[in-house]
Amino acid sequence: QQQVKQSPQSLIVQKGGIPIINCAYENTAFDYFPWYQQFPGKGPALLIAIRPDVSEKKEGRFTISFNKSAKQFSLHIMDSQPGDSATYFCAAYQAGTALIFGKGTTLSVSS
Amino acid sequence: DAGVIQSPRHEVTEMGQEVTLRCKPISGHNSLFWYRQTMMRGLELLIYFNNNVPIDDSGMPEDRFSAKMPNASFSTLKIQPSEPRDSAVYFCASRGTLRPYEQYFGPGTRLTVT
Repeated sequence: QQQVKQSPQSLIVQKGGIPIINCAYENTAFDYFPWYQQFPGKGPALLIAIRPDVSEKKEGRFTISFNKSAKQFSLHIMDSQPGDSATYFCAAYQAGTALIFGKGTTLSVSS
Repeated sequence: DAGVIQSPRHEVTEMGQEVTLRCKPISGHNSLFWYRQTMMRGLELLIYFNNNVPIDDSGMPEDRFSAKMPNASFSTLKIQPSEPRDSAVYFCASRGTLRPYEQYFGPGTRLTVT
């Protein structure tokens, strides 16, 4: 089924903490698994993306961990800051189609 | 590049009125998407075009919604007649071919139907 399940729905962490957002999928034909970040009043924007043949990808403080056998992937934010407070969407892409987004996770980082 | 441009940014209308939302994609992008975002339903894909041709409109809620893309630089989403449950933020996004998993979203149109 063409679905991406995301959890948790919301997350509150202290500054410096490591929030983790999880996603699961069913379709093994997906080519990329991107994460999008959305600030209030703005459209979502690409944060980081991973291919299914890679187990981990880091860009700055953001890391995607990918478990192909479990059909799961997660976003970790190292040393989280108040400026990271936003809604995060996982997504899945298959060639020739639109992105399939998860329901989103609202992250609040308190100072 | 100016990014994806949407207009208007805010629209307040009365139930039963026609609403037209407009989008100018990034020049050179060949795919265009319309999304609706609400707290309850999250980010929903309404329709997407590839090379100005509608590919998947299965997300369009009902016949009151229609979308057109007359050329590569312009698209409209029309709601006629509008209803209070259509109140949401509507996003347009475009995509090129280099990184097909990257969709560039516009700033959105916040629609309020009273």
